[in-house]
Amino acid sequence: SSELTQDPTVSVALGQTVRITCQGDSLRRYYVNWYKQKPGQAPVLVLFGKDNRPPGIPERISGSYTRDTASLTIIGAQAEDEADYYCSSRDSRDDHMIFGGGTKLTV
Amino acid sequence: QVQLQESGPGLVKRSETLSLTCTVSNGSVTTGSHYWSWIRQPPGKGLEWIGYISNRGSTYYSPSLKSRVTISLDPSKHQFSLRLTSLTAADTADYYCARMNWGCSGGTCYHFFDSWGQGTPVTVSS
Repeated sequence: SSELTQDPTVSVALGQTVRITCQGDSLRRYYVNWYKQKPGQAPVLVLFGKDNRPPGIPERISGSYTRDTASLTIIGAQAEDEADYYCSSRDSRDDHMIFGGGTKLTV
Repeated sequence: QVQLQESGPGLVKRSETLSLTCTVSNGSVTTGSHYWSWIRQPPGKGLEWIGYISNRGSTYYSPSLKSRVTISLDPSKHQFSLRLTSLTAADTADYYCARMNWGCSGGTCYHFFDSWGQGTPVTVSS
C-alpha cells in the first residue's frame, strides 16, 4: 500500500505564514484532505478536495498541490492554530484509506 | 447536521473480542453515498484507518487488521458496529467512528471524513 509522509514538527511565529506538507504517490491520483486535532479532542476536517473548506474554517487556511506534494498553508497563524495536522487520502492502489503520520504545529 | 456517538466497553482483556457501536443521529446509514468508518489512535500516536462499510453493506478493511476485523450495519437502529478479535496491548487506543464522504473535481477524486464521533478509549489489559 501507499504512504503519506509529513514532517513531524513545524513551528511558526504568531501572525506569520506556515506551510505543512504531505507527500506520497497517492497524490498523483487523489486529492488529500486535512484534519486538525487538539489534545483530547476528535479530529476536525479543515480542508478537502482541491482547496475546499468546511463551514466555519477560516479563509486563512488554504490548500495547494504540486506533482506529489500537498500543502496546507496558514496565513497569519493564530494561537488557536496550534494542533496536530493529519493528511489523508485514498490509497492509489486499492480501496483503502491512508493517513500521514501527522505534523505537530507550534505557534 | 449528522452526529455520531461511539459506545462500548472501555476495558477489555487480552485475547478477547472488542465490540463497539456507533449511533448516527440526524441521518440515515442507508441513504446517500456515504461510507461509515472506524479509525483508531493509540496513545501519543497518529491516526490509523481500520475500515469502512458502504450504505449497501460492502466492507473494506485495513490490510494489517483484515483478519481480525468485522464492520456491520444495523439500519433499524441507525447504527454501525466494529468487532475486533484476538486483542493485544497494541490494540489499546482511542476509537473513532466517522462518516466518509467523497467527491470529484476536474477528474480527480477525494474521500474525506466529514463527521466524527467524540471517540471512546479502549484499554486492553492482561
